[in-house]
Amino acid sequence: GENVEQHPSTLSVQEGDSAVIKCTYSDSASNYFPWYKQELGKRPQLIIDIRSNVGEKKDQRIAVTLNKTAKHFSLHITETQPEDSAVYFCADNYGQNFVFGPGTRLSVLP
Amino acid sequence: EAGVTQSPTHLIKTRGQQATLRCSPISGHTSVYWYQQALGLGLQFLLWYDEGEERNRGNFPPRFSGRQFPNYSSELNVNALELEDSALYLCASNFRGTEAFFGQGTRLTVV
Repeated sequence: GENVEQHPSTLSVQEGDSAVIKCTYSDSASNYFPWYKQELGKRPQLIIDIRSNVGEKKDQRIAVTLNKTAKHFSLHITETQPEDSAVYFCADNYGQNFVFGPGTRLSVLP
Repeated sequence: EAGVTQSPTHLIKTRGQQATLRCSPISGHTSVYWYQQALGLGLQFLLWYDEGEERNRGNFPPRFSGRQFPNYSSELNVNALELEDSALYLCASNFRGTEAFFGQGTRLTVV
């Protein structure tokens, strides 16, 4: 079955710095890649997504890039703020099923 | 418009009992996904239902089962509960490959 790897598992950055989380997938037929943010005690919330016909998508301080040849996609958060601290999950819409990466715990230090 | 809703919010069961968790998808969504999230860990895929049919299941024993009703709501049943079944159970819904949205989850505690 489909496998999604996510790195790093934990990430600490200083407030104002940038954070990058990378995911790799295995099935070349995958065509939709969402990112979710889960704050402590809350449900995962969709923050940005990208489809396979696009290489990059940006929404204010967050962006996602996709490299279909290398089968990886990355989440970029610029000018990080304490409220960005959370667990981030990437996902791969494999045959309309969603396979999630193991998550990255991001800590933004003031 | 209401989001994905799950009930109950919390559930406490004794080892060996059965638990039933429910999920109501967003109106218009035909797919429901179930995930298990143990404390501090990732989202483990359990089951995917679409148009009333089970489309895929994750690597969980048969005592984890479910169904989807004609109104697209879904039920997850866990039989012969074990202590390690204690977790947050999340459902998500979407329509044909569009964005998936999560419910608030059911916290199952097995004692």
